[in-house]
Amino acid sequence: NAGVMQNPRHLVRRRGQEARLRCSPMKGHSHVYWYRQLPEEGLKFMVYLQKENIIDESGMPKERFSAEFPKEGPSILRIQQVVRGDSAAYFCASSPPQGDSYTGELFFGEGSRLTVL
Amino acid sequence: LAKTTQPISMDSYEGQEVNITCSHNNIATNDYITWYQQFPSQGPRFIIQGYKTKVTNEVASLFIPADRKSSTLSLPRVSLSDTAVYYCLVGDPLSGGYNKLIFGAGTRLAVHP
Repeated sequence: NAGVMQNPRHLVRRRGQEARLRCSPMKGHSHVYWYRQLPEEGLKFMVYLQKENIIDESGMPKERFSAEFPKEGPSILRIQQVVRGDSAAYFCASSPPQGDSYTGELFFGEGSRLTVL
Repeated sequence: LAKTTQPISMDSYEGQEVNITCSHNNIATNDYITWYQQFPSQGPRFIIQGYKTKVTNEVASLFIPADRKSSTLSLPRVSLSDTAVYYCLVGDPLSGGYNKLIFGAGTRLAVHP
């Protein structure tokens, strides 16, 4: 069972360009989360999605950032008109549907490291 | 979600036992305590979860006193590969807010030869 897959692992963009980060959750997982981590800091929640629905985007900046999790295909985190402050590691995590053995455990991908020049 | 407080950093040597304590004074009745481990350039990885008393798995033990206002992650006989950041999180897995899983700065453990 493959883990959470994120790509690209590294992305370099110039200021003003767009960045698209993709995340494929583990098989059978219907919940996807995006976190951002600045160097030497903890992870900050951005958005929580289920298929075709944004459940909680309270951690995502209102401007320039958007996320989706379509019925088919990976979840996409999109950053428009990137600025230097967007340079960070972006982690995606997935979790299974709630059931008898549900613990709330998140399964994280390896992250996508965005560098804005 | 309950706020947690843990040491910013710790140092240890190979073969020693390491105990990392997390304070969570505002823990709620339905909250569980969960620890994650993060290696450099990797995503966090679930280590252990508990509600009360003691939980042990192949990686670590988790000690939770009766009042549940703190918890201690115990790593037996650490090795260099245990050098990582360790995060303590508190919340009710079945509540909507738990989905945010607020990660603080964590505890940076450095294991020396």
